[in-house]
Amino acid sequence: EPEVTQTPSHQVTQMGQEVILRCVPISNHLYFYWYRQILGQKVEFLVSFYNNEISEKSEIFDDQFSVERPDGSNFTLKIRSTKLEDSAMYFCASSWTGDNSPLHFGNGTRLTVT
Amino acid sequence: GEDVEQSLFLSVREGDSSVINCTYTDSSSTYLYWYKQEPGAGLQLLTYIFSNMDMKQDQRLTVLLNKKDKHLSLRIADTQTGDSAIYFCAESITADDMRFGAGTRLTVKP
Repeated sequence: EPEVTQTPSHQVTQMGQEVILRCVPISNHLYFYWYRQILGQKVEFLVSFYNNEISEKSEIFDDQFSVERPDGSNFTLKIRSTKLEDSAMYFCASSWTGDNSPLHFGNGTRLTVT
Repeated sequence: GEDVEQSLFLSVREGDSSVINCTYTDSSSTYLYWYKQEPGAGLQLLTYIFSNMDMKQDQRLTVLLNKKDKHLSLRIADTQTGDSAIYFCAESITADDMRFGAGTRLTVKP
């Protein structure tokens, strides 16, 4: 069964550094998402992406965050200058349509900011 | 504001049925989901139900939806040790507006 893949599985970075989290969504899906889960807290929506532009974003997704689909397969989340509070598990997801199909999630990237 | 509530822990014996409950508050929700998260793994979609349905069965899984009470449940029949995981209930009006519960940690004892 096709799946969403994320790399790396664990990323450690120093505060103030830039990180790029990578995702390969399911190949025929058209909608892409990033969610995050801070340890012990709920899974939170960050951003959705369709047709090469952001569809929606949450309050969490401030100017330090950006997303990109640099080619036909990858979908990336960049954090420009990481803060300690960015430490979390980041999940990429994709869906066939925006409203009528469920989201399929990757295994997540655990980001640790020291 | 709207929120999705789940109890945090459930412990059952192998072979018993597990019932994980969830309440949501947004009556506009159109889809309700159950995701499973095993240690070190991502969120695996188990099943989902449209809001115009009240039951969905898929092998050992049964989802019941009571829209009047805004209550969703997941029943796992003949629970196995491999079912031990965290189970997340989620609701959405649109995919951009998807809200998760805190997750129920299911422990299956032999």
